[in-house]
Parts: sequence; C-alpha cells; structure tokens
Amino acid sequence: GENVEQHPSTLSVQEGDSAVIKCTYSDSASNYFPWYKQELGKGPQLIIDIRSNVGEKKDQRIAVTLNKTAKHFSLHITETQPEDSAVYFCAASPNQGGKLIFGQGTELSVKP
Amino acid sequence: GAGVSQSPSNKVTEKGKDVELRCDPISGHTALYWYRQSLGQGLEFLIYFQGNSAPDKSGLPSDRFSAERTGGSVSTLTIQRTQQEDSAVYLCASSFRINNEQFFGPGTRLTVL
Repeated sequence: GENVEQHPSTLSVQEGDSAVIKCTYSDSASNYFPWYKQELGKGPQLIIDIRSNVGEKKDQRIAVTLNKTAKHFSLHITETQPEDSAVYFCAASPNQGGKLIFGQGTELSVKP
Repeated sequence: GAGVSQSPSNKVTEKGKDVELRCDPISGHTALYWYRQSLGQGLEFLIYFQGNSAPDKSGLPSDRFSAERTGGSVSTLTIQRTQQEDSAVYLCASSFRINNEQFFGPGTRLTVL
C-alpha cells in the first residue's frame, strides 16, 4: 500500500524567512496530494493541494511542487509569520480512491 | 455554513467498555471518512463511505472497530471492548465527492483508563 514519508519532523525559522517541508510517496498511482495545517486542539485544515497532472501550484505565500518521476512533493511557505506556527501534514490519495495516507507531520515554529 | 461536527468532544471510558463516537458531515457531502490520530502522530485512515457504495474498511485495526452511516448522513464509529491503546483523537472528515477536499471536524479525544 501507499506510504508517505515527511521531513523534517520539526522546523524552526525566523519571521520573514522561508520554510520548506518535503514528502515522498511510494505508490506511483497516487494522484492527489493535499497539505493540511493543524493547530493545537483543532482538526486539520487544508491549505493547498495539487493533482498529478500539475507540477506546481501557488496561493499567495504558499506553494507546492510535485515531481512525479521522483515521487516527491514539497510545501514552500515564504515570508513566514508567527501565525504560521502549527503542525503541517502532507498526504497522498492512492488509486483514485478517497482515503488519504498522511505523513508524520512537521511542527513549524516561526520566531518573531 | 456549518462545518463537520463531532460528539462528544471528549470521552473517558474504562477498559473493556464499548464507546460510540458520532460525526455529522457537511450537508450534501457524499463521502465521509474516519481517521485516528495518536499522540504526536500523523493521521491513520480507518474507514470511508461514499454514497451507497460498500464502505472501504481497509484501515480498521481490528474487528472491535465498526462504523455505520445512516441515511447517507450521520456516521457512528463504535469501538467494542476498548483497550488502552485505543486512546487517541478520532477525526471525521467529509467531502463533496471522493478525491475532493476533505473537511475535518474537531475530533473526539478518547481516553481509555
């Protein structure tokens, strides 16, 4: 089955710097790759997603890149702000199915 | 509009007891998912429902776990004879169709003593 690896597990940056989180997946049939932000005590919230027919997608300060050949995708946050501090999860959806297989999460800390 | 709601928000039970966790999806969403999040861990898929199709139960960890979705809306996750390792946050999500954005509820924190 699908397996998603995410790193780093923790990331600390200064306000205004960029943050990059990387994920790899194992199932070449996976075709949907969302990124979720989870704040303490809350459910995950989608921040951006990408499908396998696209290589890059951007939404303001957030961008995601996908390399299907290498089976990895990355989240890029520019001009980080303290409110970006949270746990970020990548996920992959295998075989056109609905379930998401999640990475282990990255705890991002943005220091003012 | 209203998001995904879950109840109870917290549940403390004794080992060996049965528990029921409830999920109310967003109105009109045909797909509903259950995930489990253990302390400091990622989300683990449990089961999902899509319309009238047979549910995908491939993530249920044992036969003590079961779920129903009545009338294509509300879902109940049941854990029988709870064990301490069942302690986790149980998250429900719904989407308009499969492979669409999944909207998560706030979760139910289950503690088995």
